[in-house]
Amino acid sequence: DTEVTQTPKHLVMGMTNKKSLKCEQHMGHRAMYWYKQKAKKPPELMFVYSYEKLSINESVPSRFSPECPNSSLLNLHLHALQPEDSALYLCASSRGSRGGTEAFFGQGTRLTVV
Amino acid sequence: QKEVEQNSGPLSVPEGAIASLNCTYSDRVSQSFFWYRQYSGKSPELIMSIYSNGDKEDGRFTAQLNKASQYVSLLIRDSQPSDSATYLCAVKWAASEKLTFGTGTRLTIIP
Repeated sequence: DTEVTQTPKHLVMGMTNKKSLKCEQHMGHRAMYWYKQKAKKPPELMFVYSYEKLSINESVPSRFSPECPNSSLLNLHLHALQPEDSALYLCASSRGSRGGTEAFFGQGTRLTVV
Repeated sequence: QKEVEQNSGPLSVPEGAIASLNCTYSDRVSQSFFWYRQYSGKSPELIMSIYSNGDKEDGRFTAQLNKASQYVSLLIRDSQPSDSATYLCAVKWAASEKLTFGTGTRLTIIP
């Protein structure tokens, strides 16, 4: 089973809204990721949670904030987004370097900021 | 300077022929190498991983890794129209969980 589940699949939000993206995996993986992907571009890493430690891409603005309630869940909280934040948001997980490194992606959340 | 580079294409290959995709990476301590396939509007799907020099075969796919020359390639034999997609090369550096993607190569299989 290599399933990573993301909800919602689609989200339209205004610039003053607060919303959250959710990601869940039940593979016992210890590393989870958030990526942002714009059209015709590769995925760009935003955050990594690995063995309860958060790593941040310094270029990610503070209107994005990750939360890891437990090792199976990873949320991405969105606040005061801009239209240029519209993109496909991808969650992935892997066992982590201590146990293999293949990363598996969820189906993504298509976010539109209006 | 980009850390992982691919020819963005598009690459067009006749059905039944071999498609060859290439990727180079910067001079850092690297550990793991991956090829993902991404259909338009969908998420990346892992198709191959390779960790040591040489070839690794899985069905119609063969990954090749040459750490001395810092390149990794993907061969697709007997190409099918369903192979038409963007192929992303990804590298994970040693002692890091960061997975870095190349720009991707758009492959079109011509029936």
